[in-house]
Amino acid sequence: AQKVTQAQTEISVVEKEDVTLDCVYETRDTTYYLFWYKQPPSGELVFLIRRNSFDEQNEISGRYSWNFQKSTSSFNFTITASQVVDSAVYFCALSEAPSGGYQKVTFGIGTKLQVIP
Amino acid sequence: GAGVSQSPRYKVAKRGQDVALRCDPISGHVSLFWYQQALGQGPEFLTYFQNEAQLDKSGLPSDRFFAERPEGSVSTLKIQRTQQEDSAVYLCASSSGTINNEQFFGPGTRLTVL
Repeated sequence: AQKVTQAQTEISVVEKEDVTLDCVYETRDTTYYLFWYKQPPSGELVFLIRRNSFDEQNEISGRYSWNFQKSTSSFNFTITASQVVDSAVYFCALSEAPSGGYQKVTFGIGTKLQVIP
Repeated sequence: GAGVSQSPRYKVAKRGQDVALRCDPISGHVSLFWYQQALGQGPEFLTYFQNEAQLDKSGLPSDRFFAERPEGSVSTLKIQRTQQEDSAVYLCASSSGTINNEQFFGPGTRLTVL
């Protein structure tokens, strides 16, 4: 069975600080996909990134960056120079190779990030 | 609109009542997922449709939960004889394909069972 662990339930930082959200996953598959989603107070999940298990290149998108390390089964997310608008719950998620023609996504419990002005 | 929409946004039901939650996916999206998100938890998979076919209902908590997508577009999640433990946010997501596709989520329906 696949599993996603987000050990940090809540994090508070002061605006402009950098913050890293940790994600550790478990899977028996060699082919899988990892995701990060943002859930602002409005409730709608917003897709941030998807990586497949064969691509370990780190990725940067503006103030966001992701560090994928298969050796430690981690997919950590860093926000540089945090802003108040970054305040939300962030979910890490995993889906294994499709079975039955679709991918079932397993979400972590989420990390609530509060950015204080 | 271009996104996934859900209605109602909020629903309060008395224990034992039946409820129906609606999801309008993005037009043309083949895949539709329902998730249940309890307070302080991540979304948990309930069921999956590929067009009108319900390919996976392994996440439905009990036989009181029933979902349908008769014409391969709009989907309804029905909960019969609601219980307090059914209180949660019910999220719907759709994607254009079946594999390796981003899921677009709706705003959810917050169900409170008194």
